[in-house]
Amino acid sequence: EAEVAQSPRYKITEKSQAVAFWCDPISGHATLYWYRQILGQGPELLVQFQDESVVDDSQLPKDRFSAERLKGVDSTLKIQPAELGDSAMYLCATTQGSNNEQFFGPGTRLTVL
Amino acid sequence: AQRVTQPEKLLSVFKGAPVELKCNYSYSGSPELFWYVQYSRQRLQLLLRHISRESIKGFTADLNKGETSFHLKKPFAQEEDSAMYYCALMPGSGGSNYKLTFGKGTLLTVNP
Repeated sequence: EAEVAQSPRYKITEKSQAVAFWCDPISGHATLYWYRQILGQGPELLVQFQDESVVDDSQLPKDRFSAERLKGVDSTLKIQPAELGDSAMYLCATTQGSNNEQFFGPGTRLTVL
Repeated sequence: AQRVTQPEKLLSVFKGAPVELKCNYSYSGSPELFWYVQYSRQRLQLLLRHISRESIKGFTADLNKGETSFHLKKPFAQEEDSAMYYCALMPGSGGSNYKLTFGKGTLLTVNP
């Protein structure tokens, strides 16, 4: 069964360093989401892509976060510079255009020291 | 703005007992409501959605627009139901903007 892949699974970094996360969607899924999940909270949307275009990045802290999906397939989320408050689980999810079910990846757990 | 509230952070029941996980929402239009579940060491996955009107793993949820609620129920809890449950809302307008708003989650523990 096809699944959303994410890497790395864990990342430890020092504040002010740059980090990047990668997501490989289920084949054919045009819509891709990046969520941030702080411990004890539900996932919160950071950015949504439709193919290679950003649909919604209203909650993305654009001074330090960036996201791209250049060929409309896999995607990267970058933080530069990382801050202590960025420690969280970063989840990628994808969906087919006509289906509302979102399929989630295993997440990348980021720890900023 | 849309909001999802799950008032219980933790819920503990005994095997065979009924279970109800509460979810209330705030949204001005007609939303689509979902329950997502995360079992230990597994990824977040869809449990059920109100438009399907299905019973999944014995769970049901009814959308009550008057009370703006979407509580998840199961008449007889099983140990394998122990997991984190998230209620989520999507604007009913849909289109290309399938944006989910999640609650903070309820950790259900079913004791033997």
